[in-house]
Amino acid sequence: GQQVMQIPQYQHVQEGEDFTTYCNSSTTLSNIQWYKQRPGGHPVFLIQLVKSGEVKKQKRLTFQFGEAKKNSSLHITATQTTDVGTYFCAGPDYGGATNKLIFGTGTLLAVQP
Amino acid sequence: NAGVTQTPKFRILKIGQSMTLQCAQDMNHNYMYWYRQDPGMGLKLIYYSVGAGITDKGEVPNGYNVSRSTTEDFPLRLELAAPSQTSVYFCATVSYGTEAFFGQGTRLTVV
Repeated sequence: GQQVMQIPQYQHVQEGEDFTTYCNSSTTLSNIQWYKQRPGGHPVFLIQLVKSGEVKKQKRLTFQFGEAKKNSSLHITATQTTDVGTYFCAGPDYGGATNKLIFGTGTLLAVQP
Repeated sequence: NAGVTQTPKFRILKIGQSMTLQCAQDMNHNYMYWYRQDPGMGLKLIYYSVGAGITDKGEVPNGYNVSRSTTEDFPLRLELAAPSQTSVYFCATVSYGTEAFFGQGTRLTVV
């Protein structure tokens, strides 16, 4: 079945440093979504990428979708303490063979003030 | 609009007991999903449904059952609870092709 891996599992940065998490799927994705989960909270949707090679920005966050639509990345510029949490990518298969929504393994970001 | 409502928020079960985790949505979404999240880990898909009367297994269905008699409700049943089922359970809903909306989660401890 579909597997979605993320690296690193955990990253600790000083406030102001940059952060990147990478997402790799075992299968080609029709689109990819990113979610953020604050400690003790539930996942909250950040963005969806659909096109091969697509790049989207949300303030300090930059999201990329690979050309082959099997990988993606999330880059945060100049991290802040409010960025703390776990970042998940997800590969929806709506209308596809399974209709599943499989999440990546997640990257936990810790930001030291 | 309440969105996605999960009850209860917390529960302690004894080994061998059974319980039903409730998930209700008022967004008229067809797709609904149940996940479990073990401490420090990712989200594992337990069961999902693409509409009333249709359910299917996810990655970790053993020990659980679901039903979907209405669009709004998607209860998750635990039979014969085991310590390995200690986890946080999230319900999520999706309108086709868009983002997933999650409930607040149910924190379950089996002792």
